[in-house]
Amino acid sequence: DIVMTQSPDSLAVSLGERATINCKSSQSVLYSSNNKNYLGWYQQKPGQPPKMLIYWASTRESGVPDRFSGSGSGTEFTLTISSLQAEDVAVYYCQQYYTTLPTFGQGTKVEIK
Amino acid sequence: QVQLQESGPGLVKPSETLSLTCTVSSGSVSSTDSYYWSWIRQPPGKGLEWIGYIFYTGSTNYNPSLKSRVTMSLDRSNNQFSLKLSSVTAADTAVYYCARGGGPSALRHAYLIDNWGQGTLVTVSS
Repeated sequence: DIVMTQSPDSLAVSLGERATINCKSSQSVLYSSNNKNYLGWYQQKPGQPPKMLIYWASTRESGVPDRFSGSGSGTEFTLTISSLQAEDVAVYYCQQYYTTLPTFGQGTKVEIK
Repeated sequence: QVQLQESGPGLVKPSETLSLTCTVSSGSVSSTDSYYWSWIRQPPGKGLEWIGYIFYTGSTNYNPSLKSRVTMSLDRSNNQFSLKLSSVTAADTAVYYCARGGGPSALRHAYLIDNWGQGTLVTVSS
């Protein structure tokens, strides 16, 4: 199984400031034949199901604000919220879908400082 | 926009079988648009675990750690899909989500989940 490890487990950021979440996979999720990273990011607010934000490591889902961006390749990835808003308080998960057993990171909780 | 709704008992006794149904609206489980109807669970206060999917053809793929206990099926007449998990223990206590992955676009993937039900808490306890 590919193990996904996120850091930090939690972070507190002031409104309007940048939030950065890291995700590391235990093996590369870059498929060489199409040069795509099989990595997605989800946001889960309290009491709600997750919502997909980013896929293919950097493609924003339709309707997701452009303050959310994804980057990275191979085994190291980053989700950036460029200017944190109150509605961004949530737990964020990365997910690899490179293998037939998709796995998620443990989650990063983002709060307002 | 497709909507998914889980239903089933909220309490299951140890060693018994957990059974959940997901009703799909504004979409069809029989659609040939390459959708993968999935189940994902989340123990209270913990992370997400993929359980498996069933494709519109009826083919399935299960998490190897659960494979011996999991059965998924489609009910085309009622536009539903279901999950059965046998021999449950307290470790199976979780919020269970039905979800949809894949789709006709080349940008989509079977394991990219773009639609989720609200989730249902299943507690395993005597």
